[in-house]
Parts: sequence; C-alpha cells; structure tokens
Amino acid sequence: SAVISQKPSRDICQRGTSLTIQCQVDSQVTMMFWYRQQPGQSLTLIATANQGSEATYESGFVIDKFPISRPNLTFSTLTVSNMSPEDSSIYLCSVDWDRGTDTQYFGPGTRLTVL
Amino acid sequence: AQSVTQLGSHVSVSEGALVLLRCNYSSSVPPYLFWYVQYPNQGLQLLLKYTTGATLVKGINGFEAEFKKSETSFHLTKPSAHMSDAAEYFCAVSVAKAAGNKLTFGGGTRVLVKP
Repeated sequence: SAVISQKPSRDICQRGTSLTIQCQVDSQVTMMFWYRQQPGQSLTLIATANQGSEATYESGFVIDKFPISRPNLTFSTLTVSNMSPEDSSIYLCSVDWDRGTDTQYFGPGTRLTVL
Repeated sequence: AQSVTQLGSHVSVSEGALVLLRCNYSSSVPPYLFWYVQYPNQGLQLLLKYTTGATLVKGINGFEAEFKKSETSFHLTKPSAHMSDAAEYFCAVSVAKAAGNKLTFGGGTRVLVKP
C-alpha cells in the first residue's frame, strides 16, 4: 500500500482566512482524492485530482472555495478559502492505488477548526 | 445512483463477543465493496474489500465480510471483540464515473467494546 502524509495534522484558523493542506505520497499515483468529514459524520468527496488536468469537483463544491493543485504524481494541495466555522472538519486525501479494484488508501487527515 | 446504508450508527459489544456490522448497498452494476476503520484522531485504514471471486473475504485484525448479491449486503463480522476494536467503521461502494471511480461511503458505525 501507499504511504501518505498530510500537513498540517491540525490547525486552528480565524474566520475569513485560508489554509492550504498538503498531501504527499511515497509513490507515483494517477488519481488523488480530497474528502471532507464533518464532525460526527461520514466522508464526502470534494474533488478528484489528476496530474496534468483540472480537478473535478463534486456537486456542492466549487473551485473558488476549494482550489486544488496537482503539480506532479506524488503531491497535491487543497486550499480552504475564506473560511467560516462551518468549514471546521477533517480533510483527508486519498490515492487510487489499485485502478483495477478502485482501492483507495487514505492519509491521516487534517483536523481544521475555524473560530 | 449508488448508495450505502449502514444499520446502526452505534454498536456496543462485550469483549469476546461477536461483532456484526451491517451494510446494504444499491448499485446498478456489480459493485466493488470496502470496509474501512477509523481509529480516534486517525485517517481511514482499509480492513478488507470485495471485487470479484470468493464472496467471503478476510481482512486484517480478524475481520471478515460476506458479499451477498441477493440481499445486496456486505456485513462485517469478527468472532471475538477486542478492546482495540473500538473505532468507527465505514462501508463503501465503488462508483464508476467518467472522471474516475469514486467511493460512496455509508454513514459509519461507531463500535464501543465493553470490558
């Protein structure tokens, strides 16, 4: 399986500011995903990030709020822009490790609190 | 559209007792199915998956799950609960999309293990 790291592991931010979350993988992967897990809830996919193309956003998520970069096959960033307390969540990245079986492996997550 | 339903948001079991977590899915095509575990303040860890072949799949930490097409179920079991099994468990189904397959998650089941 892939080894995935995220930075920061947690942060406390002020309303109106932005935070960029980094996701690093120890191997080259084609597809990376960003999820949001709101307090006490399940995971919701924000977007899919393929290297060399624009990210594909799910319904309810827009690029202006959650811009994503994917500069190479081992790295991606998610920015949470103009934050409000409703953005307080755990943000997780994952990679599609085995395309033949759609298996995804997850990073440890970034716990974000917005005051 | 694919969906996943986990029956019971909380399950309490005694140490040494059977763990049974229920998952039902809907899918218009043969699905790939997954169980993930999330320990407190951690990311998701893959427990097991069903893609094709044998319908009884074994995973890590003594867990197994059985794919029953006629019942559209993929219930997770462990014969004897251990204190370390206390965590949240997520069932997921793979959904094919033009932009790449994505996972749809159930609402999660939090397991409490009583001594």
